[in-house]
Amino acid sequence: RKEVEQDPGPFNVPEGATVAFNCTYSNSASQSFFWYRQDCRKEPKLLMSVYSSGNEDGRFTAQLNRASQYISLLIRDSKLSDSATYLCVVGHNDMRFGAGTRLTVKP
Amino acid sequence: IAGITQAPTSQILAAGRRMTLRCTQDMRHNAMYWYRQDLGLGLRLIHYSNTAGTTGKGEVPDGYSVSRANTDDFPLTLASAVPSQTSVYFCASSKAGLAGKQGAGANVLTFGAGSRLTVL
Repeated sequence: RKEVEQDPGPFNVPEGATVAFNCTYSNSASQSFFWYRQDCRKEPKLLMSVYSSGNEDGRFTAQLNRASQYISLLIRDSKLSDSATYLCVVGHNDMRFGAGTRLTVKP
Repeated sequence: IAGITQAPTSQILAAGRRMTLRCTQDMRHNAMYWYRQDLGLGLRLIHYSNTAGTTGKGEVPDGYSVSRANTDDFPLTLASAVPSQTSVYFCASSKAGLAGKQGAGANVLTFGAGSRLTVL
């Protein structure tokens, strides 16, 4: 079983939809949590860090639940440009990735 | 331009050959990582290094070795390549790695552009 589990999707949604991704992790000692975005055949790039109190960046909201050991990403008012694979990352000194969730936003 | 440079960008290799993927960063980051990405499996950690002179094993270390002689370079070596090592390899780095340097954003990973390796 992977240390970080993520629903692979794919998620196909219309423009303007709200979509949520979840990611569970098994190592309770994990201290760092992130969401990354990866476009086809490119390297992953940081979307946002995830803090204990939850945090928001425009249309994106990230939350952390340490008791249940999961993190989530909510995308509101989705745009065509949000189409990508979203990767959760969890760890401390060795950062582990979920398998990624593919999102396609359609007109 | 500050960042991570990986080489080669792409390589086709015969099984049994030795191959070293190079990774260099100029951000003075303490920690460096090697991942492989395969369809449906996401990025899997091969090896990592929290600081120069130290290395650690990740999820899938077998068949790979690394060294960290200095802060900037973190080469990944396949001693005898096999077809199952066909993959896209990403090198990454982060500021964190030393005790006491775990401030906000310390573990944010910066990635290289990747090296596509095909073993025949």
